[in-house]
Amino acid sequence: DAKTTQPNSMESNEEEPVHLPCNHSTISGTDYIHWYRQLPSQGPEYVIHGLTSNVNNRMASLAIAEDRKSSTLILHRATLRDAAVYYCILRGSSGNTPLVFGKGTRLSVIA
Amino acid sequence: DAGITQSPRHKVTETGTPVTLRCHQTENHRYMYWYRQDPGHGLRLIHYSYGVKDTDKGEVSDGYSVSRSKTEDFLLTLESATSSQTSVYFCAIRVGVNTEAFFGQGTRLTVV
Repeated sequence: DAKTTQPNSMESNEEEPVHLPCNHSTISGTDYIHWYRQLPSQGPEYVIHGLTSNVNNRMASLAIAEDRKSSTLILHRATLRDAAVYYCILRGSSGNTPLVFGKGTRLSVIA
Repeated sequence: DAGITQSPRHKVTETGTPVTLRCHQTENHRYMYWYRQDPGHGLRLIHYSYGVKDTDKGEVSDGYSVSRSKTEDFLLTLESATSSQTSVYFCAIRVGVNTEAFFGQGTRLTVV
């Protein structure tokens, strides 16, 4: 599986935007970029995913570099509820390919 | 929550005993997964399934077996539990080929 590199931890002030980076220099052309987050004492939850173009949904935006070797998850206004571990995952397009998690970035949000 | 139920939610068992964890889904999705999570580690894939009786090993499959005899249930068995298998176990389902996965609430297993 292609690997991703994320900072171990980041901190943000409440109601400010947060940019969570992910490097994936060995990404292949058919790998999708997925983001999940895990709130304390809960299972992971899906945030967003994309292939080449930037993506937006109600939770976040995903900005993908033109060469696809990096991406950034953008939370537009961080809330205390956004404090979680955020995982950037590459997943091939084959149906049988599972999600393989790394260690993620622990985001702290300060009131 | 995509209709995923893990049972039991908590279990304490003795070393050497067999343990089976159940993941049940109500929506007939094809792909199901078992992960474990330990302090200092992210989620690690144990086994996964892409259909009834179609399963494959993940990165930490030693000491675990799985079965999927019907679409809705994916069972994880520890044939002879060891203290190193004390962990939180998460089940997940995936709706389609390039769609999101949904995770259960987890089962906290303690092997004493």
